Amino acid sequence: GDSVTQMEGPVTLSEEAFLTINCTYTATGYPSLFWYVQYPGEGLQLLLKATKADDKGSNKGFEATYRKETTSFHLEKGSVQVSDSAVYFCALQSYSGNTPLVFGKGTRLSVIA
Amino acid sequence: EAGVVQSPRYKIIEKKQPVAFWCNPISGHNTLYWYRQNLGQGPELLIRYENEEAVDDSQLPKDRFSAERLKGVDSTLKIQPAELGDSAVYLCASSLVNSPETQYFGPGTRLLVL
Repeated sequence: GDSVTQMEGPVTLSEEAFLTINCTYTATGYPSLFWYVQYPGEGLQLLLKATKADDKGSNKGFEATYRKETTSFHLEKGSVQVSDSAVYFCALQSYSGNTPLVFGKGTRLSVIA
Repeated sequence: EAGVVQSPRYKIIEKKQPVAFWCNPISGHNTLYWYRQNLGQGPELLIRYENEEAVDDSQLPKDRFSAERLKGVDSTLKIQPAELGDSAVYLCASSLVNSPETQYFGPGTRLLVL
């Protein structure tokens, strides 16, 4: 079945450091790929998405590129802020759309001033 | 626009007791999802509704879990009786049926079974 593997945390970075959170997936066909973020005490929020190969999703300075050849969707940000501290989830949804999101286990990011 | 509303936010019960969670989706969203998120894990789908019909309940443990979505709006998820392993965060999400790739999540109900 479909699955998502993302790097384990926690990840601790200093403010303004470069962030990469790795995500790889296994799926039949060509799924849509997502990054969700969960801030402390809040619900999951969609951060960005990409629906086909080579698409780049971006939002709030974060970006991720859908790489079919490596089945990856790594999340990057050039300069993190303390306010980026949260848990980040990579997820996929099969092509048909009316299927559940399949999530990775999440990566906790802590940014220190 | 109001987001997905869930209540209660926290619940502590003893094992074998019943518990219920309530969800009010975003207005106009006809698809509603219940997910369970165990500690240190990503959310996993329990059940998906389109309007009042449960279209995917394959992962719902039907011996103790039940759900309903009367009138295709609010939904209730019930566990009876609760077991220690049911301790988790229960998330509700909603989406438009023609935009299933964009799901909006509520803050969740954190359940602790003692």
